[in-house]
Amino acid sequence: QLQLQESGPGLVKPSETLSLTCTVSGGSISSSSHYWGWIRQPPGKGLEWIGHIYYSGTPYYNPSLKSRVTMSVDTSKNQFSLKLSSVTAADTAVYYCARSSSGGDYFDYWGQGTLVTVSS
Amino acid sequence: QSALTQPASVSGSPGQSITISCTGTSSDVGGYNYVSWYQQHPGKAPKLMIYEVNNRPSGVSNRFSGSKSGNTASLTISGLQAEDEADYYCSSYTSSSTPSWVFGGGTKLTVL
Repeated sequence: QLQLQESGPGLVKPSETLSLTCTVSGGSISSSSHYWGWIRQPPGKGLEWIGHIYYSGTPYYNPSLKSRVTMSVDTSKNQFSLKLSSVTAADTAVYYCARSSSGGDYFDYWGQGTLVTVSS
Repeated sequence: QSALTQPASVSGSPGQSITISCTGTSSDVGGYNYVSWYQQHPGKAPKLMIYEVNNRPSGVSNRFSGSKSGNTASLTISGLQAEDEADYYCSSYTSSSTPSWVFGGGTKLTVL
């Protein structure tokens, strides 16, 4: 059974960079044709797609976040990562990592989510 | 990139059927069969319920079904059960700018 687990600091200061890692177990991040993505959810609000990446291909980012987002894959550790720069309080959210279909059009496996709070 | 439009809330009694709508444009819902639906219980991660408009993943009850007409997609839940009470989100591929994906604002389903 595929499992995903987010990890990273739960508190980030304004203007700094948020960094999260998703560790995949129960399957190889590079052995299939799936994409790997990030979605966030501000407290009490809806879901927002951040982006997703193929292990060896071009990432796709939300246009509204594109200037601040970087995603990467580490196949040796079976992990993929998210960096979001110049954060503000508006970036406070639960961040989920998820596996996307081979076409990238839906997320079928999700991590449990991790709350990241932006505050000084 | 605008969020897809969903009703804020819907409700129904056990055993009844309800439908949640998801309205977009010809650049997203209307242009592609890449609509998916997610169920989210409080404090939990979303769960995929429907993909590519009307396909159910293995393990999802056949009480859940999806459809699309024009720029509006719909999720129908028949035979409502107490455990169906949750938030539901639609999502679609969009070509409005660079290839990307967008979620709806979410619908709170209350089982009376």
